[in-house]
Amino acid sequence: KNEVEQSPQNLTAQEGEFITINCSYSVGISALHWLQQHPGGGIVSLFMLSSGKKKHGRLIATINIQEKHSSLHITASHPRDSAVYICAVSFGNEKLTFGTGTRLTIIP
Amino acid sequence: DAGVIQSPRHEVTEMGQEVTLRCKPISGHDYLFWYRQTMMRGLELLIYFNNNVPIDDSGMPEDRFSAKMPNASFSTLKIQPSEPRDSAVYFCASSTQGVVETQYFGPGTRLLVL
Repeated sequence: KNEVEQSPQNLTAQEGEFITINCSYSVGISALHWLQQHPGGGIVSLFMLSSGKKKHGRLIATINIQEKHSSLHITASHPRDSAVYICAVSFGNEKLTFGTGTRLTIIP
Repeated sequence: DAGVIQSPRHEVTEMGQEVTLRCKPISGHDYLFWYRQTMMRGLELLIYFNNNVPIDDSGMPEDRFSAKMPNASFSTLKIQPSEPRDSAVYFCASSTQGVVETQYFGPGTRLLVL
């Protein structure tokens, strides 16, 4: 069965802390996406990965194809990073399967 | 570019009524996706189009749901008749190369069926 699991489900941290959110999947994939959903509900695509590592500002996404695992890191976290972060994968087709999301709260 | 445009942003209707959600993708994007988000099931793909042609509608919950894309700049998702369990946020997204490229999401339509 094609599954996507995220951990942790909820994460609360102090401003400035280094944040790691994890995503594991069950079988080989063709693409993995990290999405951000703010309290207002809008969804923004942060990264699309098929291998290696990508960086944008304070955000870094990595993927290990052999271990079927991806991580999203946030350096120098800020309260405006508070959001739900969603991992989504394509299991070799054009459809995305979504994780349940990680709710991140950064306390000033 | 204005991004993906969805209308209405909010819809409240009574059970049994027809609901039509609208989406305008980003110009030049060949792929259009309709998603539904609920507390219980999270985000789910309902249907997607490539070059205005429906490719996979296996996520459409039942015959009450239908989607069309009459041209490259417009798509509709229709629910007839609507039921309370259809209450959710419906997102439209578009991309240039399906899932191997960034998907751009619209603001969503929050639907409440009473």
